[in-house]
Amino acid sequence: ILNVEQSPQSLHVQEGDSTNFTCSFPSSNFYALHWYRWETAKSPEALFVMTLNGDEKKKGRISATLNTKEGYSYLYIKGSQPEDSATYLCASPGKAGTALIFGKGTTLSVSS
Amino acid sequence: DSGVTQTPKHLITATGQRVTLRCSPRSGDLSVYWYQQSLDQGLQFLIQYYNGEERAKGNILERFSAQQFPDLHSELNLSSLELGDSALYFCASSATRGTQYFGPGTRLTVL
Repeated sequence: ILNVEQSPQSLHVQEGDSTNFTCSFPSSNFYALHWYRWETAKSPEALFVMTLNGDEKKKGRISATLNTKEGYSYLYIKGSQPEDSATYLCASPGKAGTALIFGKGTTLSVSS
Repeated sequence: DSGVTQTPKHLITATGQRVTLRCSPRSGDLSVYWYQQSLDQGLQFLIQYYNGEERAKGNILERFSAQQFPDLHSELNLSSLELGDSALYFCASSATRGTQYFGPGTRLTVL
């Protein structure tokens, strides 16, 4: 059974701080790695999908890297803002084109 | 707005009852996925349909069933409801492979 782990479980930073969190997944039979942002009272919003080892994706102040050989992905937020407060989920499909197995998420709280 | 719609937004019912949750995928998306998020649990995959056919099953109870209709909308049927079935139920859709887009969810409360 595919197991996706995220750390830390929660994080509290000050406005302007840069931060990063980790997603770990099995390196064998890898298909893709998804990152989502989930704000309170909303639905998960897709940030990135990465498939190739060494992939780097960027969206504004948020970026992600992927290492499929060692089974991890990092999500970075540069200059955190209060509106970045959310739970960040990573997920990977058990097989190509199938459902995502989600980690439990990292909850980020940014204070102004 | 992801383009995925779910109804109803909230549902309150009693134990032993049966409810139906509805999902309309994004235009053109053939795959529909149902997920459950209970208190203190992450998103748990329930079932996937692709173009009307069941594609994969996750942690779905026998009391739960789903189907996808020719117009690609999907329904999740929950029967003999128990208190522990109270949760947020999400539907997501995707093209053949790639990003899954989530609907706003249905919050089910079983009293």
